[in-house]
Amino acid sequence: GAVVSQHPSWVICKSGTSVKIECRSLDFQATTMFWYRQFPKQSLMLMATSNEGSKATYEQGVEKDKFLINHASLTLSTLTVTSAHPEDSSFYICSAPTSGPSSSYNEQFFGPGTRLTVL
Amino acid sequence: QQPVQSPQAVILREGEDAVINCSSSKALYSVHWYRQKHGEAPVFLMILLKGGEQKGHEKISASFNEKKQQSSLYLTASQLSYSGTYFCGTKAAGNKLTFGGGTRVLVKP
Repeated sequence: GAVVSQHPSWVICKSGTSVKIECRSLDFQATTMFWYRQFPKQSLMLMATSNEGSKATYEQGVEKDKFLINHASLTLSTLTVTSAHPEDSSFYICSAPTSGPSSSYNEQFFGPGTRLTVL
Repeated sequence: QQPVQSPQAVILREGEDAVINCSSSKALYSVHWYRQKHGEAPVFLMILLKGGEQKGHEKISASFNEKKQQSSLYLTASQLSYSGTYFCGTKAAGNKLTFGGGTRVLVKP
């Protein structure tokens, strides 16, 4: 299957600092990438849709000024958690669908995830 | 709206079979199945498309009833490596993959 990488795999930061997470599609181009958040023993919740060359689309309840998304190229999307607080501690996972005539019919692959701990 | 998965958890002995169900209230274009091990990201297992096409692992089987907007994942002759949490994801109109609550599977020797 297609390969999606994520960096870093884990990060510990102090409250009030900002953290950037990178998501790359290694063997395919992704005009769209998705960012999910997962709390322990819960399902994956979609935070936002990252679109190459345009603004991200955020899900209801997700603060766009706190979770900055940039999709600078067809293989790279970044999520920056600004002024992080302990309640932002979570497992952040990016995902990208393979390209094709209709994204609804495309397989979607996940990166390995980034575990964020805010002290 | 989130698809509904059942059961929430299942315990199997190695070699036994199990079925995991996923249902949606929306008309679906595709159903995606993933398995997640503790501390890791979800791994793609299979996609079932409206119209009958399927793509995925050879050892995994699943069905998609388009009329009922229901899908089932079949774990046959389970192995220890099948343990994990299984998520179904659904795509209705649009691009978003929405996940069910997950089914925890534990396969014991």
